Amino acid sequence: EAQVTQNPRYLITVTGKKLTVTCSQNMNHEYMSWYRQDPGLGLRQIYYSMNVEVTDKGDVPEGYKVSRKEKRNFPLILESPSPNQTSLYFCASSRQGPGPQHFGDGTRLSIL
Amino acid sequence: QQQVKQSPQSLIVQKGGISIINCAYENTAFDYFPWYQQFPGKGPALLIAIRPDVSEKKEGRFTISFNKSAKQFSLHIMDSQPGDSATYFCAASSGGSNYKLTFGKGTLLTVNP
Repeated sequence: EAQVTQNPRYLITVTGKKLTVTCSQNMNHEYMSWYRQDPGLGLRQIYYSMNVEVTDKGDVPEGYKVSRKEKRNFPLILESPSPNQTSLYFCASSRQGPGPQHFGDGTRLSIL
Repeated sequence: QQQVKQSPQSLIVQKGGISIINCAYENTAFDYFPWYQQFPGKGPALLIAIRPDVSEKKEGRFTISFNKSAKQFSLHIMDSQPGDSATYFCAASSGGSNYKLTFGKGTLLTVNP
């Protein structure tokens, strides 16, 4: 089954404690992306990757890092999380370019 | 700067009615306009998409209308059903070296039985 898998699905943590949200796709897609979803703000792109070792900033990259060492994986790293990064995060992938994208089911992060 | 403006924020429609959601964009370099549907607890799923070389695209009960000169596009859901109740997002992106995808803020559609 074609899917984008995110882990963890839920996480409550504290300010400053480094965390990584993993994202894996099994469709051999070249393009992967991370979004955050906040009430009233919709989905905002954090980072995207056109292919292995090729990443670029989206609209809200501050406080986040990504890496793309393998085609299937695109982890999102919060080196020093802060409360304003409390949000619902989605990973997505597509064959090439930004669409059509397959989304994961989301990771809800709460940073206290 | 909000590059894709979506309206309304919420919409209530009776079963069998037509749901219309509108989006406007500013960046004339945008060349791909998808609509996504999101149910609670799930990630968005692509519903239908259009490129600016056509003015309309229809898939089943869902139609995108595109007006390039006005820089507007809209989603029409014909014969709306309670199962269509979800949040809908329009989005836009441009090709070339910029593959950012910009979303509207979403419309919560409720279809009453």
